[in-house]
Amino acid sequence: GAVVSQHPSWVICKSGTSVKIECRSLDFQATTMFWYRQFPKQSLMLMATSNEGSKATYEQGVEKDKFLINHASLTLSTLTVTSAHPEDSSFYICSARDPRDQETQYFGPGTRLLVL
Amino acid sequence: AQSVTQPDIHITVSEGASLELRCNYSYGATPYLFWYVQSPGQGLQLLLKYFSGDTLVQGIKGFEAEFKRSQSSFNLRKPSVHWSDAAEYFCAVGLNTGGFKTIFGAGTRLFVKA
Repeated sequence: GAVVSQHPSWVICKSGTSVKIECRSLDFQATTMFWYRQFPKQSLMLMATSNEGSKATYEQGVEKDKFLINHASLTLSTLTVTSAHPEDSSFYICSARDPRDQETQYFGPGTRLLVL
Repeated sequence: AQSVTQPDIHITVSEGASLELRCNYSYGATPYLFWYVQSPGQGLQLLLKYFSGDTLVQGIKGFEAEFKRSQSSFNLRKPSVHWSDAAEYFCAVGLNTGGFKTIFGAGTRLFVKA
């Protein structure tokens, strides 16, 4: 199946700093990528849909100025957590849709963010 | 509203025993149905999917799932569980509503005892 990578796999930062997480589709071009947030022992919460070359579509309740998404190429989407605070600590997972299999999402391994 | 229900928060089975994880969905039409598995600290891996056709679908790692329209269910099964199957399992529904969106169930954590 299609492969999606994320970098970094984990990050620890001080409160007030910004953190960028990269999501790459390795063997296919993804016009659409998704960003999820997962709290411990909970399901995935869709934060936003990232479309190549256009603005991301954010889910209700997600602050677009807080979570900046850029999808500058067909293989790369980035999520920047701006001015991170301890409550932003979470597991962030991206996924991408392979155009050859539009209905299926392939997930990255996730990025664990800890804000001190 | 569309929803996915996994009634069991956690399940414990003995190694070698059979497994069935339940999933029910609420949606007007036949949705796209998925089962994903997540090991601790990892992303999600697709086990199997159903779009149409044969209602019994085979997946990876010896898993299968059966779509039952009358029950709005898509239960996951495995005849003999291995210790390495211990993980979190998510049922998901794909909806095409002017843009494809996936809704996940709350997940079922599987514990395997020796």
